[in-house]
Amino acid sequence: AQRVTQPEKLLSVFKGAPVELKCNYSYSGSPELFWYVQYSRQRLQLLLRHISRESIKGFTADLNKGETSFHLKKPFAQEEDSAMYYCALKGGATNKLIFGTGTLLAVQP
Amino acid sequence: GAGVSQTPSNKVTEKGKYVELRCDPISGHTALYWYRQSLGQGPEFLIYFQGTGAADDSGLPNDRFFAVRPEGSVSTLKIQRTERGDSAVYLCASSLPLSGGPYNEQFFGPGTRLTVL
Repeated sequence: AQRVTQPEKLLSVFKGAPVELKCNYSYSGSPELFWYVQYSRQRLQLLLRHISRESIKGFTADLNKGETSFHLKKPFAQEEDSAMYYCALKGGATNKLIFGTGTLLAVQP
Repeated sequence: GAGVSQTPSNKVTEKGKYVELRCDPISGHTALYWYRQSLGQGPEFLIYFQGTGAADDSGLPNDRFFAVRPEGSVSTLKIQRTERGDSAVYLCASSLPLSGGPYNEQFFGPGTRLTVL
């Protein structure tokens, strides 16, 4: 079965501390994985995708097929990073997304 | 340009009533998706349109849910005989046509919050 697991509902860190938001997936085949972010009172938007291997707003995520993980990392958290983060998996040819339950990142001053 | 829009932003209805939720995709986006987000959960796929036809409706929970896109642009999600468990935020997303290649980014609307009393 195709599934995305985000074990933490809430992650609270202080400004300047490192951040790691965990994501594990279950998928048979070559997965395409993404991180979506929702800032307060804004709509859901794409943060980054694994095939781009890019850093967006200081965030990176590496696909680890051996551990079936796609954790999101940032070395130094900023207050403006506070948001809801969703890990998502592209589920098949129709481009539909399978989302995890999300992790609320709260960066304290 | 304008993003995906959804109306109404909030809808309160009574159990057993019929509701329609509307989605206006980004111009030129022929792919359109509906998702449902219940409290404390991530968005859950409902249905995908390519043009006017529903190419994948595997996520619709039962036959009370139906969606149309008659002219390949605006889409309406219809829920009959609403139940309290239908209360959720209904999200619409659109993207460029699928090409068989890598993922085409889905752009999400602000959602419609449906409350069934």
